[in-house]
Amino acid sequence: QLQLQESGPGLVRPSETLSLTCTVSGGSISSSSYYWGWIRQPPGKGLEWIGSIYKSGSIYYNSSLTSRVTILQDTSKNQFSLKLSSVTAADTAVYFCAGGRITFIPGGAFDIWGQGTMVTVSS
Amino acid sequence: QSVLTQPPSVSGAPGQRVTISCTGSSSNIGAGYDVHWYQQFPGTAPKVLIYGDSNRPSGVPDRFSGSKSGTSASLAITGLQAEDEADYYCQSYDRSVSGWVFGGGTKVTVL
Repeated sequence: QLQLQESGPGLVRPSETLSLTCTVSGGSISSSSYYWGWIRQPPGKGLEWIGSIYKSGSIYYNSSLTSRVTILQDTSKNQFSLKLSSVTAADTAVYFCAGGRITFIPGGAFDIWGQGTMVTVSS
Repeated sequence: QSVLTQPPSVSGAPGQRVTISCTGSSSNIGAGYDVHWYQQFPGTAPKVLIYGDSNRPSGVPDRFSGSKSGTSASLAITGLQAEDEADYYCQSYDRSVSGWVFGGGTKVTVL
């Protein structure tokens, strides 16, 4: 059974780069039929999709974040990562990594989620 | 401002039926992209409740059902129970932004 776990700093200074890693266990990130993604949730607010990556290397980013976000996958470590540059207080949120079964058309559900990690942007 | 619009809150007495709407447009729900629904309790990760418009993952009670018509979708909860008090989100894909989109979320309160 696939499981996801986020890791990374809980505090990031303004203007710096937020870096998080999601470790996948219970299956191989490169051989599974899943795509992977990052979703965030500011305190008391709703879910915001950040981006998704397929094993083929195709990557989709939220158009409002595309200039600052990078999602990569490291098959040797069975991990995928998120980097968000030039952060501000508005980037303070719980960050979730998630996975979904690849479907014929894009926009499938995220049916596996990590527990989430709180990242605060503050000096 | 979310691409998919949900009512901020709905409420009902135990045993009643409540519905949550998710209104989109011709570039997402109306374009035929699947709608999925998530349930989230405070401090926990969201969990898929309905996928592909109307399909329930194993383990999800049949009190929960999803439907879609035109540019909107709905989640219905019949026989409302106290344990259903949570936040609910719809999600789809939008071809105008080439990305996954979520609704703003609906808080369900059991009176």
